[in-house]
Amino acid sequence: DAGITQSPRHKVTETGTPVTLRCHQTENHRYMYWYRQDPGHGLRLIHYSYGVKDTDKGEVSDGYSVSRSKTEDFLLTLESATSSQTSVYFCAIRQGNYGYTFGSGTRLTVV
Amino acid sequence: KNEVEQSPQNLTAQEGEFITINCSYSVGISALHWLQQHPGGGIVSLFMLSSGKKKHGRLIATINIQEKHSSLHITASHPRDSAVYICAVENGSNYQLIWGAGTKLIIKP
Repeated sequence: DAGITQSPRHKVTETGTPVTLRCHQTENHRYMYWYRQDPGHGLRLIHYSYGVKDTDKGEVSDGYSVSRSKTEDFLLTLESATSSQTSVYFCAIRQGNYGYTFGSGTRLTVV
Repeated sequence: KNEVEQSPQNLTAQEGEFITINCSYSVGISALHWLQQHPGGGIVSLFMLSSGKKKHGRLIATINIQEKHSSLHITASHPRDSAVYICAVENGSNYQLIWGAGTKLIIKP
C-alpha cells in the first residue's frame, strides 16, 4: 500500500486567515484528490491533480486553491477561511488497479 | 434521481448474519468501488470491480455490468464490521468518482 499522510490532523483557525493542508505520498502516483466530508453530504470533490502542475476543479472548489509542484505533495489552501469551510478534509491517491488510498483526514474548525 | 443509489440506507443485524448491501448506477462506468468508513475514522478501499466477483476474507463483491448493479456481501458478520459502506463509480476522465450516499451497518453482538 502506498503511504499517504495528511497534515495537520487537526486545526482550529480564525475566520479570514489563510490555511494550507498538506497531502504527501511516498510513491509516484499520478492522480491525487482533495475531498471534504460533511454530515448529510458525504464526500465532495474539491480539486484534483493529474500530474505535477496539472490540477482541475471539483464540484466544491470555490474558496479553495491547490498546488502540486512535485509528484509527492498536493497542497490545499483556503485563501481566507470561512465558517462554512469547517469540515473534515480527506486526500486520496489512485493506485492503478488497486483503487484508492485515503489519508487519515484533517479536521478543520474555522471560528 | 441520483446516479448512484445504495440500499438500504441503514441496516441493523445480529452477529453472524449474512449481510447484503446493494448499489445501482445509471451511468456508464469504467470501475466500481466499495469503501468502508468506521465512525470518526478514515476511509478504506475494499474492492475495485470492473466485472465479475471478488472476495477478500469474509467480504464478497459482485457486479453485473448489464444490469448496472453491484452487491457487497459480508458473511458471518461481526460487530467490528459496523461501519458505513460506500459505493462509488468511476465515470469519465481523470478517475473522478460519483458517490453513493452510503449504508450505515450496525452489527449487534
